[in-house]
Amino acid sequence: EVQLVESGGGLVQPGGSLRLSCAVSGFTFSSCWMSWVRQAPGEGLEWVANIKQDGSEKYYVDSVKGRFTISRDNAKNSLYLQMNSLRAEDTAVYYCARVGVHPRAFDIWGQGTMVTVSS
Amino acid sequence: QSALTQPPSASGSPGQSVTISCTGTSSDVGGYNYVSWYQQHPGKAPKLMIYEVSKRPSGVPDRFSGSKSGNTASLTVSGLQAEDEADYYCSSYAGSNNPPYVFGTGTKVTVL
Repeated sequence: EVQLVESGGGLVQPGGSLRLSCAVSGFTFSSCWMSWVRQAPGEGLEWVANIKQDGSEKYYVDSVKGRFTISRDNAKNSLYLQMNSLRAEDTAVYYCARVGVHPRAFDIWGQGTMVTVSS
Repeated sequence: QSALTQPPSASGSPGQSVTISCTGTSSDVGGYNYVSWYQQHPGKAPKLMIYEVSKRPSGVPDRFSGSKSGNTASLTVSGLQAEDEADYYCSSYAGSNNPPYVFGTGTKVTVL
């Protein structure tokens, strides 16, 4: 079964850090671009970052550049998002998503992990 | 890069059709045939319903169809069923622009 399982969310103070993880199973992880997409409470979806199959290319939305780092470990079938200097506006459910068999579409999503930035 | 514009809500009775629009620019929707649509039920992860403007992934009912004209894409749900009540988001690839993917503002579909 194809599955993405996020973990690492929680409550953190402004300026703090968190590392999200996404464990992948059921497909060849090393063959796919992967992304993080977030959704603030009651709001819409926002693409955050993506990473190429071998990790050689990474892209970020402007609002997280310099603060967030996406990475992957193909040997461990895992995707990561290191989030530093967190702000209240980063509060959201964070989903990992696969850009898989369908070009430029997110065909598999995890269940999401909640990140709350508050003092 | 701004979010794609969708109507906040749409509704229809069971068996009827509803169409949701998704308006962008020539840098995203109008520039690429990489528009996708996602269904999201409350508290759940999004699910891919349409990719490359009009193609359906395996398992998605043919009641769901997509199209595009210029900078506006559309999703039509025909033969509405109770389980179609959900939020729907469009997304478009935007090439080398930042961000390379942009989502729509979302539309709540209500089955009356």
